[in-house]
Amino acid sequence: EIVLTQSPGTLSLSPGERATLSCRASQSVSSSYLAWYQQKPGQAPRLLIYGASSRATGIPDRFSGSGSGTDFSLTISRLEPEDFVVYYCQQYGSSPWTFGQGTKVEVK
Amino acid sequence: QITLKESGPTLVKPTQTLTLTCTFSGFSLSTSGVGVGWIRQPPGKALEWLALIYWDDDKRYSPSLKSRLTITKDTSKNQVVLTMTNMDPVDTATYYCAHRSTYPPGDYCYFDYWGQGTLVTVSS
Repeated sequence: EIVLTQSPGTLSLSPGERATLSCRASQSVSSSYLAWYQQKPGQAPRLLIYGASSRATGIPDRFSGSGSGTDFSLTISRLEPEDFVVYYCQQYGSSPWTFGQGTKVEVK
Repeated sequence: QITLKESGPTLVKPTQTLTLTCTFSGFSLSTSGVGVGWIRQPPGKALEWLALIYWDDDKRYSPSLKSRLTITKDTSKNQVVLTMTNMDPVDTATYYCAHRSTYPPGDYCYFDYWGQGTLVTVSS
């Protein structure tokens, strides 16, 4: 089973700043099959990124993903007020499909 | 427009069996490549994938919970049912059903549409 470790656990930034979230896998993720989700309080997760770098339908271009192998990142170029929530990565290259523990982006 | 909605009990007792139903619209589970999965999230904690059923009735389970889980589908009703036996307080969580993206082809799974989730509390 691939274990995903997200860092930092909490990221404290101000609106307008750039956020970089990390997701590290315990072994190489096949074909960069890594997804990112955003979860607002009381809501279901929303797909942001798949294939490590492809934005899902309707996702603003301030969200971007990169990485390969074991190291992946999600970047939010300029934080909007609605971006201060929790983000999860998920690998889908090999079953069992696993999620990271999440990174919370909070207002500094 | 794809939608999914979970239904089932909000409270179960320890040792009981939980049965959750996912009712969906906007796609058919008889279409090649389609899958529906279940994911749970304990309060304040991370997401955990539980099970997935494919259009051809192939099934995948989380190894850590495989002995307790059963996933089935009723294509005519557009429903997927998850049963979890021997419930314990640590199984208290919000349970989500979700649509597996049909890309890429093959045994790969991430979720592009999610239900709103249903909170299940396990307590005597």
